[in-house]
Amino acid sequence: QVTLKESGPVLVKPTETLTLTCTVSGFSLSNVRMGVSWIRQPPGKALEWLAHILSIDEKSYSPSLKSRLTISKDTSKSQVVLTMTNMEAVDIGTYYCARIIDGYDHFDYWGQGTLVTVSS
Amino acid sequence: SYVLTQPPSVSVAPGQTARITCGGNNIESKSVHWYQQKPGQAPVLVVYDDSDRPSGIPERFSGSNSGNTATLTISRVEAGDEADYHCQVWDSSSGHPYVFGTGTKVTVL
Repeated sequence: QVTLKESGPVLVKPTETLTLTCTVSGFSLSNVRMGVSWIRQPPGKALEWLAHILSIDEKSYSPSLKSRLTISKDTSKSQVVLTMTNMEAVDIGTYYCARIIDGYDHFDYWGQGTLVTVSS
Repeated sequence: SYVLTQPPSVSVAPGQTARITCGGNNIESKSVHWYQQKPGQAPVLVVYDDSDRPSGIPERFSGSNSGNTATLTISRVEAGDEADYHCQVWDSSSGHPYVFGTGTKVTVL
């Protein structure tokens, strides 16, 4: 059974760095065909893709947020980590991780999401 | 970057057919995917590659794609189909590869 689960702080202060972890099970991140993306959704708004990792060398980022994002993975821990620097109020929302199999371009499994609030 | 436009809302009576559109420039040249998102829950893939259904998704959910519009059709609508629906494509022409639509709220009357 494929599952993904996000974890991280519920509340961060403005200008702080957000670190989110996606822990996966039911598939291996060492499989070169297994990719994981981070996607967020501000309250009442549309989904927004943030970043994707397929292998150590194959990463991609949203152009509008690229300077603030870093995605990495630890295959031994079955985890994908996203960091976002300089958090501000517009970054409030639910952050999801989701799986994509290389060769496809849809997200077949999603985590439950984690709500992040930015406030001093 | 590529833009996908959806109507904000669609209302349908139980047992009737709901059609949710997703507009994009020459969208027929792309594979369109659809996700259902119920309140407080994560999105669930209901249609991929325009018209294929993942295992476990009822046949009532179907998709089509032509010209500048892709459509998700829900036949014999049930109360449990009330949710937000999002379309998504992969756009190779920009640095923003995974593009989502604006989302449509389906209300079952």
